[in-house]
Amino acid sequence: GQQVMQIPQYQHVQEGEDFTTYCNSSTTLSNIQWYKQRPGGHPVFLIQLVKSGEVKKQKRLTFQFGEAKKNSSLHITATQTTDVGTYFCAGLGNQFYFGTGTSLTVIP
Amino acid sequence: DTEVTQTPKHLVMGMTNKKSLKCEQHMGHRAMYWYKQKAKKPPELMFVYSYEKLSINESVPSRFSPECPNSSLLNLHLHALQPEDSALYLCASSQDHQYNEQFFGPGTRLTVL
Repeated sequence: GQQVMQIPQYQHVQEGEDFTTYCNSSTTLSNIQWYKQRPGGHPVFLIQLVKSGEVKKQKRLTFQFGEAKKNSSLHITATQTTDVGTYFCAGLGNQFYFGTGTSLTVIP
Repeated sequence: DTEVTQTPKHLVMGMTNKKSLKCEQHMGHRAMYWYKQKAKKPPELMFVYSYEKLSINESVPSRFSPECPNSSLLNLHLHALQPEDSALYLCASSQDHQYNEQFFGPGTRLTVL
């Protein structure tokens, strides 16, 4: 069946360092979305990518969708303590799945 | 109004109880979703309603029964649950049924004793 895996599972960074999470699907996706879930909170939509090779930026966040539409990445430049949370990719293949998530801890 | 509301926030129930979770949105969205999320795991899609009709049931046991009384409301009726059903139940909505940008509610934390 379809699987959407993310690496790393956990990441601890010093404030100001960069952070990247990678999302890999076993099947081709028609779109990829990214969500952030703060501890004790609910997922909040960040962005959606649809086109092969698409790159989008939101301030310090850069999102990429792979050429084969099976992988994606989220890069955060100069992390801040407000970036703490779990980042999930989510994609529509033959079903809609959330990725396994990457939990980010930012050390002040 | 860009909010999805869910009630109750917390629910404790026994295995023989019948209870309902409620979800409401007033954004005019035509797709609504139920997800189950266990601790430190991703949300798992349970049901999708599109234009008030059930369009997706991800092989969820019949002890979970969804209902969409109108375009703004979504219920999840619970009966004869098991302790392993304890989880955070999240409701979400989106403009259409194509899983585009989903707005999530705060969730109901369910404990089954």
